[in-house]
Parts: sequence; structure tokens; C-alpha cells
Amino acid sequence: EAQVTQNPRYLITVTGKKLTVTCSQNMNHEYMSWYRQDPGLGLRQIYYSMNVEVTDKGDVPEGYKVSRKEKRNFPLILESPSPNQTSLYFCASRTGAGNTIYFGEGSWLTVV
Amino acid sequence: AQRVTQPEKLLSVFKGAPVELKCNYSYSGSPELFWYVQYSRQRLQLLLRHISRESIKGFTADLNKGETSFHLKKPFAQEEDSAMYYCASMFSGGYNKLIFGAGTRLAVHP
Repeated sequence: EAQVTQNPRYLITVTGKKLTVTCSQNMNHEYMSWYRQDPGLGLRQIYYSMNVEVTDKGDVPEGYKVSRKEKRNFPLILESPSPNQTSLYFCASRTGAGNTIYFGEGSWLTVV
Repeated sequence: AQRVTQPEKLLSVFKGAPVELKCNYSYSGSPELFWYVQYSRQRLQLLLRHISRESIKGFTADLNKGETSFHLKKPFAQEEDSAMYYCASMFSGGYNKLIFGAGTRLAVHP
């Protein structure tokens, strides 16, 4: 079954404590990206990757890092989380040939 | 700047009533447009895309380049249609980047 899997699904953490949200896809997709969803703002892209070792900033990259060492994985790293990063995060992927984007189930992150 | 606008935060209708969720985009070229649906904070699911010209779950959407709109319509709303609906656009050269509208919550009452 085609899947985009994120972990953890729910996390409460404290300001400044580094955390990583993992994302994995089993469809051999080239393109992967991270979005955050906030009320009234829709989804905004944080970072995207066009292939292994190729990443670039989206619209709201501040406070986030990513890496793409393997094709299937695209972790989102918050080196020093702050309360304004409390949000619902979605990982997404697509093949280079088509424009249908597959989303993960989302990760609820609360920073206190 | 490339932008997708959904003017209504909430659309509330009764079961059986027609529904139109508005979406406008600002781009001078030829974007690819999508509607995504999200039920109760689940993952976003692709509802339809304009190049397919298909009808999913009774919903249709027509791209109107003159009005730069891609409104989502359904003639008879069902309670199970209650969800968040996001209009999104992928502009040429946008790679993996979808630009989303702020979303419209559709509430269908019995």
C-alpha cells in the first residue's frame, strides 16, 4: 500500500529541546516536502527536496532543518523548538512524473 | 506574488442544498489547480484536479481563466461532506510546491 508515514503523531515538548519528526515514503518518490498547518493560514511549505541530497527552503523555513540522505526518508529537525512552532505538520511526496501529492497523517506538535 | 484565496472560512448549509466553495488564484500563467479535503484533522486527500475534469463524490470544479477561479460545486450536499476543503495551485516551475488557500470549513446540517 502506498504510504507516507510520519512519527511521532503527537508530541508535547519543552522550549529548546531538540526534536526530529521522521517521514518515510514507500513509493520511490523523488520529491518530498514538509508543510505546517495553522488555523486561518492553510498549509505553508517549510522545506522541500527534489532528490537525495537536494533540499531547498519553502515559505517558512526559519527554525527548521531537513536532510535527505536516503530517497525514502525526509526528517524534519527542530534544533531549538519555540512555542510559535506549535502546529500540525504534514509530510508529502510525489513522483517526478506526476503532480499528485500524497500526504502523511500529520504530526501534532506542541511546544510549551 | 502567487496566491490562492478562499474567501469563506465557513460555509454552513442544510442537507440537500447546493454547495459552492469559492477559490481564486493570482497568476498570469497556467497553473495546475487542485481541491483537497481533510476530514476531522486527518491527512489531506486529493479530491480532484482541474486537468482531470472528473467528478468525485458528486463534486465538480471548472477552471475559469477569465475570472481566475476554480470554484468547487456540488448540487446536493450530504452530511458526510462536512470537512475542511483546501484549494491549491501548483505553478509552473513550482516543483513540489503547492500553494494552499486558507481553507473553507463546510458544515452540512441534517
